[in-house]
Amino acid sequence: EDKVVQSPLSLVVHEGDTVTLNCSYEVTNFRSLLWYKQEKKAPTFLFMLTSSGIEKKSGRLSSILDKKELFSILNITATQTGDSAVYLCAVETSGSRLTFGEGTQLTVNP
Amino acid sequence: ETGVTQTPRHLVMGMTNKKSLKCEQHLGHNAMYWYKQSAKKPLELMFVYSLEERVENNSVPSRFSPECPNSSHLFLHLHTLQPEDSALYLCASSPGTSGRVNEQYFGPGTRLTVT
Repeated sequence: EDKVVQSPLSLVVHEGDTVTLNCSYEVTNFRSLLWYKQEKKAPTFLFMLTSSGIEKKSGRLSSILDKKELFSILNITATQTGDSAVYLCAVETSGSRLTFGEGTQLTVNP
Repeated sequence: ETGVTQTPRHLVMGMTNKKSLKCEQHLGHNAMYWYKQSAKKPLELMFVYSLEERVENNSVPSRFSPECPNSSHLFLHLHTLQPEDSALYLCASSPGTSGRVNEQYFGPGTRLTVT
């Protein structure tokens, strides 16, 4: 059974801190790993990673994938209160299957 | 209207009712998805449609019946649901034609409560 585990499950930081969110996986027929941000309802797409070692960046957010060790990290630098959300990691496998982790609830306090 | 829209936003139904959830995407995408999000549980993929053809069905009970009449519309027909089916149902779409997940755009969801 495919499995995606995120850690920590929740995290509280102060504005300006840097955070690292972790996602490890055990799946068959890996295709890609995706990160989403879910604030109120609809998750919004952040990154899609398919190759090891290539860092993807978008402003203060960056992510990298390690296909050998089967994990990914999502970094957020200089956090702001607007970064407060649940961050979801998902792994795509063959047959259009997408397995999500439980998510990390990030709270950024002013 | 742009993006992915879902109606209704909230739905309360009895176990013997029949209702339908509607999703519409205005992005010109070729693939559409239904997800279930329950409290304290990971998001679960239910169905995938690519070019109006179902390409994935994740062992979902038959009381959930999807319908994709064209690439812009997706329905989820509900009948004889159970209280444990109460959840947030999210629709998403993506550009891919091969059934690949790709970058997905989510709708706001329908909060379903089964009494």
